[in-house]
Amino acid sequence: RKEVEQDPGPFNVPEGATVAFNCTYSNSASQSFFWYRQDCRKEPKLLMSVYSSGNEDGRFTAQLNRASQYISLLIRDSKLSDSATYLCVVMGGGGFKTIFGAGTRLFVKA
Amino acid sequence: SAVISQKPSRDICQRGTSLTIQCQVDSQVTMMFWYRQQPGQSLTLIATANQGSEATYESGFVIDKFPISRPNLTFSTLTVSNMSPEDSSIYLCSFLRGGNTEAFFGQGTRLTVV
Repeated sequence: RKEVEQDPGPFNVPEGATVAFNCTYSNSASQSFFWYRQDCRKEPKLLMSVYSSGNEDGRFTAQLNRASQYISLLIRDSKLSDSATYLCVVMGGGGFKTIFGAGTRLFVKA
Repeated sequence: SAVISQKPSRDICQRGTSLTIQCQVDSQVTMMFWYRQQPGQSLTLIATANQGSEATYESGFVIDKFPISRPNLTFSTLTVSNMSPEDSSIYLCSFLRGGNTEAFFGQGTRLTVV
């Protein structure tokens, strides 16, 4: 079993749609959780951290469920510019090791 | 915001040769990380580079193939040695900031071995 698992997609959605991604992790000792965004041929960049209480940043909402060991990302009112690969990232569980999911590809179409 | 500069951005190399990738950070950082990302795949950690000590390699990666230097707290290099086409990939350097939480990445080196 992979340490961090994501549905690779692709998710093809129209502009304005709401789309949700889930990610599961295997190490219950993991401490920090993030969503990163990676555009084609670019390096990953932090989209948002994921807190136990959940957090929201504009159209983006992230949730953490420690009991079930999964995190989620919800994107509302999708824009064309949201098209990218979204990486689920888990850190901790021993040192500063950072584990990346394989990414979920999102295509938002006009 | 943090600045991390990675060079070269891309290269096409003959098999059997070696390529050294450089990363320069605009401030001192304790740990730097080197990743490989193959097409359509996730980032795989190659090694963690600490200044003043040998790098720590992940399973499947060895120092003879991927020697790393970390001469100071702002700079690191990764060498891909005796390259084969299987080494064709994107290589990324990274460091942590914000209380060792947020990871920043270099722009990546797209390597093609022919």
